[in-house]
Amino acid sequence: IAGITQAPTSQILAAGRRMTLRCTQDMRHNAMYWYRQDLGLGLRLIHYSNTAGTTGKGEVPDGYSVSRANTDDFPLTLASAVPSQTSVYFCASSRYGLAGGANEQFFGPGTRLTVL
Amino acid sequence: QQQVKQSPQSLIVQKGGIPIINCAYENTAFDYFPWYQQFPGKGPALLIAIRPDVSEKKEGRFTISFNKSAKQFSLHIMDSQPGDSATYFCAGEETSGSRLTFGEGTQLTVNP
Repeated sequence: IAGITQAPTSQILAAGRRMTLRCTQDMRHNAMYWYRQDLGLGLRLIHYSNTAGTTGKGEVPDGYSVSRANTDDFPLTLASAVPSQTSVYFCASSRYGLAGGANEQFFGPGTRLTVL
Repeated sequence: QQQVKQSPQSLIVQKGGIPIINCAYENTAFDYFPWYQQFPGKGPALLIAIRPDVSEKKEGRFTISFNKSAKQFSLHIMDSQPGDSATYFCAGEETSGSRLTFGEGTQLTVNP
């Protein structure tokens, strides 16, 4: 069982370019999340999806978009990358959504993105 | 606005020491407080969690102490080992519907 896979592992991107970070889970979890991790700021939620077909905004959604066409995949798109989006991005999933009670979030290995 | 404040940012102890990581929260509606452990190059993983109806929870060498009136909780690692070297994140969640809010993280180094 792979759990959560993310691609690419790392990427260097020119400012203004479009980029899609891929995330796939094989646990049949209902909810999926995207976080960015920056030193001294912890993990901040970008977007989430409580179930396939629905998405919601997190704490820092500006400049990012997501889609949830099926249970397994939750891609994150940067329409026009800026240097402040340089970060490590983590995808996560949980059995239930945010209103489903305390439930463990399982994280992928992350994507290190550098925007020049 | 950081609703969960974590300290220290980094911590170095010798093997066998008892590192303590502290967190304070603002949202009194939080009713679930997990700790996540992250090794270099990996994603975070759930380590231990507590509900505010108890003051302490132990799992192996890891203990959470919880002070509801002070809105503070802490992680203690007994008999720390070099393999415990990692970044630790505390978090708070309002399980009726809000997101999981993480603290800033503490980078722990346990020297041999």
